[in-house]
Amino acid sequence: GDSVTQMEGPVTLSEEAFLTINCTYTATGYPSLFWYVQYPGEGLQLLLKATKADDKGSNKGFEATYRKETTSFHLEKGSVQVSDSAVYFCALSRSNFGNEKLTFGTGTRLTIIP
Amino acid sequence: EAQVTQNPRYLITVTGKKLTVTCSQNMNHEYMSWYRQDPGLGLRQIYYSMNVEVTDKGDVPEGYKVSRKEKRNFPLILESPSPNQTSLYFCASGGDWNIQYFGAGTRLSVL
Repeated sequence: GDSVTQMEGPVTLSEEAFLTINCTYTATGYPSLFWYVQYPGEGLQLLLKATKADDKGSNKGFEATYRKETTSFHLEKGSVQVSDSAVYFCALSRSNFGNEKLTFGTGTRLTIIP
Repeated sequence: EAQVTQNPRYLITVTGKKLTVTCSQNMNHEYMSWYRQDPGLGLRQIYYSMNVEVTDKGDVPEGYKVSRKEKRNFPLILESPSPNQTSLYFCASGGDWNIQYFGAGTRLSVL
């Protein structure tokens, strides 16, 4: 079945550091790929998405490129801020008879220190 | 404002006492879903609904029921909760391009 493997956390960085959170997936066909972010005490919010190979999703300075050859969707940001501290989830979606189920990775907790 | 509203946010109950977690969305989405989040496991789908009166099991449906009598509401029912259902629950509704919107979560403890 479908699965998503993402970098184990927690990750702690200093403000303005470069961030990479690795994500790889296993799925048949052509899934859509997502990064969701969960701030403390809140639900998940979509951060960015890509729907086909070589697409780059971007939002709030974060980027991720859909790499079909390596089945990866790594999240990057050039200069992190304290406000980026959250849990980040990589996910895929492959519509299956109308079920738009998201398959999530286990999440990576990111802490940015001033 | 587009939103998915879950209630209650926190719930402590005892084994066997029936409970319902409500979920409502104001985006006129046809697709709604319930997930549970557990440490080290990420989020796993419990049930989903493609439209009114159309529901089906996700990956971990045992011990749960749902109903979809109206488009905006998708309650999660635990008829006889057990301690292994202690978890953080999220309701989601889906729009275009597979984008799903999540509620703020319900933290359930079953003693």
